Amino acid sequence: DAKTTQPTSMDCAEGRAANLPCNHSTISGNEYVYWYRQIHSQGPQYIIHGLKNNETNEMASLIITEDRKSSTLILPHATLRDTAVYYCIVRGGGYSTLTFGKGTMLLVSP
Amino acid sequence: GAVVSQHPSWVICKSGTSVKIECRSLDFQATTMFWYRQFPKQSLMLMATSNEGSKATYEQGVEKDKFLINHASLTLSTLTVTSAHPEDSSFYICSASLRRDYEQYFGPGTRLTVT
Repeated sequence: DAKTTQPTSMDCAEGRAANLPCNHSTISGNEYVYWYRQIHSQGPQYIIHGLKNNETNEMASLIITEDRKSSTLILPHATLRDTAVYYCIVRGGGYSTLTFGKGTMLLVSP
Repeated sequence: GAVVSQHPSWVICKSGTSVKIECRSLDFQATTMFWYRQFPKQSLMLMATSNEGSKATYEQGVEKDKFLINHASLTLSTLTVTSAHPEDSSFYICSASLRRDYEQYFGPGTRLTVT
């Protein structure tokens, strides 16, 4: 599976949009971009995933560039409870597993 | 939907004893379950993948005789840490999936401390 690069940490003010970038320049055509987050001392929580089209659900939006080499997870109105480590994972088609990197520590402040 | 539970949430055991951790998918049938380990300030590391009714597939470097995995039903997988040592102290997290290539839903984790 392709490797991903994320910033180590980011800050966001409560109520503002949080935009979390992820680079995956070696992604191949059948690989999906997945986002999970992990609140301290809890199991990871699935957020969203996509192949090439932008995706939106009740939690977030996923914007994937046309060349698919990078993506951005958008939390439209961040709350204090969104403080967590966010993992961007590229996952191949078929029966590939999830490989967690170091992720981005997002701190949402009042 | 897609709720996964783990039991216990935390456990303390003495060195040399065995500990069993349960992972249950509460509202769906999971043909595949995964076990991860997470040491403090590190990311999750996949230990093994189990499919219902068959033997687990272990990642390189994970001792299959030490970490026994059983996936006897579509809603339950167990991880038994045998002859636990202090270095096995960690956060153990399971996940479940309808199929191996579907998104995984994670349990809340089990904190194991071996004294």
